Amino acid sequence: AQKITQTQPGMFVQEKEAVTLDCTYDTSDPSYGLFWYKQPSSGEMIFLIYQGSYDQQNATEGRYSLNFQKARKSANLVISASQLGDSAMYFCAMMPLSGNTPLVFGKGTRLSVIA
Amino acid sequence: GAVVSQHPSWVICKSGTSVKIECRSLDFQATTMFWYRQFPKQSLMLMATSNEGSKATYEQGVEKDKFLINHASLTLSTLTVTSAHPEDSSFYICSAISREYEQFFGPGTRLTVL
Repeated sequence: AQKITQTQPGMFVQEKEAVTLDCTYDTSDPSYGLFWYKQPSSGEMIFLIYQGSYDQQNATEGRYSLNFQKARKSANLVISASQLGDSAMYFCAMMPLSGNTPLVFGKGTRLSVIA
Repeated sequence: GAVVSQHPSWVICKSGTSVKIECRSLDFQATTMFWYRQFPKQSLMLMATSNEGSKATYEQGVEKDKFLINHASLTLSTLTVTSAHPEDSSFYICSAISREYEQFFGPGTRLTVL
């Protein structure tokens, strides 16, 4: 079974600053994928970034980067140069890469960007 | 990227009525779709796995007779909330898996039961 832990219910960050959202995971699967999603108040799940367990380099997508530390089982999301539009819920999720399996989500972190 | 639609996007119904929610993969075939439920200020919780041509697999604690799932084609799965009650009010989100095992989410359906 997989488990995702997000220990920060809420975070505040000043506009234009960087922020790190924490995520730790637990799994017995040898091959897995880690995801971050943004959920604004509209409810849609917006895919941000993906990291495969065997990827040697940390994933980056524009202002988003994933700090993947496999030994520590952590997959923190770093958002650089925060914008007001980044205010939303952020969910860390994972799934084994062994077939048609669902994502397991953490409880989420509400990020508020202040001007 | 691939598109998954849900209909309706929101629905209000009276207690005791049934509500059908559709999930469609618009530009790819999905043999597997997932249905999640999200209560306010909570995370997404998997309700069931919907496989085309076979019975859905429900997570523990989810009543299969209350939440009927039909995956009639490779592009459509439906979730019917039967005899809805106020406690069923929630945000229901589906996702579909492509042949490359990528998962795409629908925009969600907000259900309010009066």
